[in-house]
Amino acid sequence: DAKTTQPNSMESNEEEPVHLPCNHSTISGTDYIHWYRQLPSQGPEYVIHGLTSNVNNRMASLAIAEDRKSSTLILHRATLRDAAVYYCILTSGNAGNMLTFGGGTRLMVKP
Amino acid sequence: DTGVSQNPRHKITKRGQNVTFRCDPISEHNRLYWYRQTLGQGPEFLTYFQNEAQLEKSRLLSDRFSAERPKGSFSTLEIQRTEQGDSAMYLCASSLMLSPYEQYFGPGTRLTVT
Repeated sequence: DAKTTQPNSMESNEEEPVHLPCNHSTISGTDYIHWYRQLPSQGPEYVIHGLTSNVNNRMASLAIAEDRKSSTLILHRATLRDAAVYYCILTSGNAGNMLTFGGGTRLMVKP
Repeated sequence: DTGVSQNPRHKITKRGQNVTFRCDPISEHNRLYWYRQTLGQGPEFLTYFQNEAQLEKSRLLSDRFSAERPKGSFSTLEIQRTEQGDSAMYLCASSLMLSPYEQYFGPGTRLTVT
């Protein structure tokens, strides 16, 4: 199974952009890149996903490297409410339908 | 609120007792998943249903664990003869069959086995 590598933690200042990196050097051609986040004392929350092209939605943007071996989740203006653990997850139609969570990146946002 | 709900939110039990948790998914979602999360770790997949059929079970799901989704709506997860190692947050999620990786999670049930 393709794995992901994320920094354990990152810090950001409120109202500044945040770039959360994820390495997935063994990604296969059919793997999608998903991002979830988990706020304190809550279940995980879907953020965004993509395959090859960059993606934008109301929560965030996903920038995918041309070789797909890495991706970056971009929060355009961090708020205190964005403090959470962010998980980068690869999914494949051949691997069942579970999400395989790693350790994620704990994002701390300073006022 | 039309999100995923789980009951109870907290459960404290003594070792050896049986416990049952309930999950009510988003009403139009035909897929339902159970995960377990221990402190400081990401959630781990346990099992999932498509409608009432249990399609996949993780090796983490020992014989003491059983899950049901009798009418394809709510689901229950039962743990028999609980052990201290079962202490964890049990998370339920649901999705549409056509978007299996866009899962909506409930708040979880925190189990403490003393």
